[in-house]
Formats: sequence, structure tokens, C-alpha cells
Amino acid sequence: AQTVTQSQPEMSVQEAETVTLSCTYDTSENNYYLFWYKQPPSRQMILVIRQEAYKQQNATENRFSVNFQKAAKSFSLKISDSQLGDTAMYFCAFLYTGTASKLTFGTGTRLQVTL
Amino acid sequence: EPEVTQTPSHQVTQMGQEVILRCVPISNHLYFYWYRQILGQKVEFLVSFYNNEISEKSEIFDDQFSVERPDGSNFTLKIRSTKLEDSAMYFCASTREREQFFGPGTRLTVL
Repeated sequence: AQTVTQSQPEMSVQEAETVTLSCTYDTSENNYYLFWYKQPPSRQMILVIRQEAYKQQNATENRFSVNFQKAAKSFSLKISDSQLGDTAMYFCAFLYTGTASKLTFGTGTRLQVTL
Repeated sequence: EPEVTQTPSHQVTQMGQEVILRCVPISNHLYFYWYRQILGQKVEFLVSFYNNEISEKSEIFDDQFSVERPDGSNFTLKIRSTKLEDSAMYFCASTREREQFFGPGTRLTVL
């Protein structure tokens, strides 16, 4: 079974600064995907970024980028130029590439962006 | 852009009552899921559904829960006799390949 660990329950960053959220996972699989989801106060789950395990290149989406270290089973999210709208819960999630595979989520990191 | 929709947005029910949560997945998606998030906790998998049958279910998904796709459009989660601990956000998700698209969730409150 897969496990996902987010060791930072809460983080705070000033507007325009950069913050990194940590995530580690444990799996015996070789083919999988990793995701970061954002959950604002509305509680909607919004996909921020995804990474295919077979790709060595780290994924980037505008101000969001990841540092994927497959051997270390680490998948951190970097948010550059933080904005007030980035305030939310952030969940790291693992998806095995099997058919109808389920997402396994971490416990989340609450990010507060301050002025 | 197509999206997953869920109704109702908020459901309040008495303990022991039956509830049905409804979801309309994205039309060309093949795999459907229900997840649950108790307030302040992580999102947990309940069940996956493909080709009109359950693919996988978690230990949370006991005999009180059932799912169906009655008309090729809706995807429903039924809780037969609700308990206080069923109070949570329930998310429906669908996918064609890998990325799962989530609905806005239904907040279930059991009194």
C-alpha cells in the first residue's frame, strides 16, 4: 500500500516571497503519478501540478514548480512570488498507473500568505 | 470547459436516515470515484466505479454505502442509515486517463 506524508501541518509566507512545501511517499511501484492539489476555504479540490514518475524533468506551471526526487521518494512544491490567493490547504497525492486507480492523499499543509 | 457537478451542495439529515448524493461526471470520462473528507482531515478514498461495477472499495465503504450509475449520466452515492461519523465533505471525481477531476463536493451534516 502507498503512503503519503506531509510533515508540515502549517506554513506561512509573505506576499511575493517563495515557499516550499514538502511531501514524501512510500511505494514499491515504479510507474505512478504525483499531484499537488489546492483546497481553498470553499473546499473545492483544484489540481495545481502533476508529475509523471517516468519523467526526470521537474514539472512547472507558471509560479508553481516541483522538485521530484524519485530515489528519495520526495516531491516538494515550490510556490514563487506568493499571492494572497495562494492561501489554502495543499495536499500531495499519489496515483498508481493501474486501471481505475485511486488517489492516496497526504494530511495536507495549511499555507497562509501574509502581507 | 467541462466540469464535474454535485448536488446538493449541503445536505442536513437526521441520524438513521438515508441520503443520496448525486454527481454528474464529465461526459466522456470512464472512471468514477467517491472520496470523503472529515473536517480538518485528509481526503480518503471510498470507492471507484468502472463499466457499471465497483472496481475497488475501501474499508470505509461498508454495507451502508452503495453506488450506482442509473442513467448513464448521474453517478450516485447512497448511505442507507446515516451515522454521526458520516458527517463530512463527499467529493465525486471522474477521469478518462490519469488526472482526476473533482466536483465541488457535498457537505453532509448528520444530526
